Amino acid sequence: GESVGLHLPTLSVQEGDNSIINCAYSNSASDYFIWYKQESGKGPQFIIDIRSNMDKRQGQRVTVLLNKTVKHLSLQIAATQPGDSAVYFCAENIGDYGQNFVFGPGTRLSVLP
Amino acid sequence: GAVVSQHPSWVICKSGTSVKIECRSLDFQATTMFWYRQFPKQSLMLMATSNEGSKATYEQGVEKDKFLINHASLTLSTLTVTSAHPEDSSFYICSAPHGRTNTEAFFGQGTRLTVV
Repeated sequence: GESVGLHLPTLSVQEGDNSIINCAYSNSASDYFIWYKQESGKGPQFIIDIRSNMDKRQGQRVTVLLNKTVKHLSLQIAATQPGDSAVYFCAENIGDYGQNFVFGPGTRLSVLP
Repeated sequence: GAVVSQHPSWVICKSGTSVKIECRSLDFQATTMFWYRQFPKQSLMLMATSNEGSKATYEQGVEKDKFLINHASLTLSTLTVTSAHPEDSSFYICSAPHGRTNTEAFFGQGTRLTVV
């Protein structure tokens, strides 16, 4: 069936460097995507979202890029900090109004001092 | 922002007993809530969609009689794991859609269930 997956299961970056987390999705009909951050033992926390009519969206220190041609999504974190260490999930909305999301397997980001 | 509260945050129970997990939307109404399950080092897997005033919709492979869902009000959904077994030990998370177009999902803090 349709699925959302990630290219890199783990990512280690130096503090202060930029991080890029990638995600591939397979449902070309998906029109809404969200990046979540999950710290150990906690529920996912919304980071940033993007709709399919956009190819880039910026937040505070984060940028999401969407390439619909190759069905690829990425999350860029600028000046990565120790507090950014967590597992990051991309999620694909495959339903209608107010529906559920399909999550990718997650990427663990480790920030090195 | 919108807040979803989940209780308890962790629970240990004996095999054969039942455990109830609550999910509350604190500052908004949610006619729909979603229940997910997460195994260690794995992604979230949708179990069921909880609908206020009607029966829950379960994903394929999820036992309805084992995972009872009740959406009693516009701010409360409960998941009851009945006759729990050790293999039911997992992290359970609820979410509720909110936002201007109701497509942004806010998550509870999760419940870690351990069945001994």
